[in-house]
Amino acid sequence: EPEVTQTPSHQVTQMGQEVILRCVPISNHLYFYWYRQILGQKVEFLVSFYNNEISEKSEIFDDQFSVERPDGSNFTLKIRSTKLEDSAMYFCASSLDRVLCEQYFGPGTRLTVT
Amino acid sequence: AQRVTQPEKLLSVFKGAPVELKCNYSYSGSPELFWYVQYSRQRLQLLLRHISRESIKGFTADLNKGETSFHLKKPFAQEEDSAMYYCALNGAQGGSEKLVFGKGTKLTVNP
Repeated sequence: EPEVTQTPSHQVTQMGQEVILRCVPISNHLYFYWYRQILGQKVEFLVSFYNNEISEKSEIFDDQFSVERPDGSNFTLKIRSTKLEDSAMYFCASSLDRVLCEQYFGPGTRLTVT
Repeated sequence: AQRVTQPEKLLSVFKGAPVELKCNYSYSGSPELFWYVQYSRQRLQLLLRHISRESIKGFTADLNKGETSFHLKKPFAQEEDSAMYYCALNGAQGGSEKLVFGKGTKLTVNP
């Protein structure tokens, strides 16, 4: 069964550094999402992406964040200048359609900012 | 505003006992509601959605619009049901694509 994959599984970075989190969505899916979960807190929506552009974003997704689908298979989340409070588990998800369709989640990337 | 509340952080039952995981939501339109499950060291996966009105692994959930609830139930819990359960809402009618999650309930089924 096809799955969403994410790399790396764990990323440690220093405050102020740029990080890129990578995801490979399920191949025939059209909608892509990033969520994050700070330890002990809710899974929070960051951004959704369709047809090579952002279709929705949350207030968390500020100018420090960007997403890209560089090559038709990868879907990346870039944080330009990491802060301590960016430490979280970041989940990528994809779905075939937008409405009423199951979002398939990746295993997550644990980002630790020191 | 869209909000999902799962009042129980932890729930512990014995094998064979009934289990109910509570979920209440706040949304002005007609929501789409889901239960996601995360077994130990596995990814989040969809357990069931209200629109399907199906039973998965013996679990059912009924949308009660009057009480704005979507509680997850199983009549006889099994040890393999031990996991983290998340209730989630999608305001698709409002054009939103995002899932809004509750904080989750950790279910432990004891032998």
